[in-house]
Amino acid sequence: AQSVTQLGSHVSVSEGALVLLRCNYSSSVPPYLFWYVQYPNQGLQLLLKYTSAATLVKGINGFEAEFKKSETSFHLTKPSAHMSDAAEYFCAVSDYNQGGKLIFGQGTELSVKP
Amino acid sequence: DTGVSQDPRHKITKRGQNVTFRCDPISEHNRLYWYRQTLGQGPEFLTYFQNEAQLEKSRLLSDRFSAERPKGSFSTLEIQRTEQGDSAMYLCASSLAVGLGELFFGEGSRLTVL
Repeated sequence: AQSVTQLGSHVSVSEGALVLLRCNYSSSVPPYLFWYVQYPNQGLQLLLKYTSAATLVKGINGFEAEFKKSETSFHLTKPSAHMSDAAEYFCAVSDYNQGGKLIFGQGTELSVKP
Repeated sequence: DTGVSQDPRHKITKRGQNVTFRCDPISEHNRLYWYRQTLGQGPEFLTYFQNEAQLEKSRLLSDRFSAERPKGSFSTLEIQRTEQGDSAMYLCASSLAVGLGELFFGEGSRLTVL
């Protein structure tokens, strides 16, 4: 069965600092991996996705993630945090052999301090 | 707006009452998913449809829960005899049955059971 683990339920950074949100996955098949962002009382918005092409994936709002098969990781980074980045971030793996449903991690809440 | 829409956005009900949520997916999407999200947790898969066929149901979907997608377009999720533990955000998402597995989410329906 596929699963996702997000290390750290809460991350706090200063504005302008590096953002690093960690995600490790478990999958018996080559995975499709996703990062979604959720603002308060809103649905989930796709940040970026890995689908077996380039291992470094660039997404919206300056975020990127690197797929590392040897480490079974897909960490999300942004060089310089902005106040508007404060939100909940979810890593997910696609169970594309079973209808393409996404299996989500527990989420990481990102706080950005001025 | 051609995104996924959900109605109602908020529902407060008393324990034991029945509630129904509606989801209108992106028009050309033939897959539709329901997820439940509780505070501080990632979305948990409940069920999904391909066109009008319900192809998978999670063990989380007790016999008090029923979902339909009668004409392969909109879907309803009904909860009978609500319990306080049903209080959560119910998220709907849609996708194409082919392609890279990206799910597009609605803004969710928040249920509070008193």
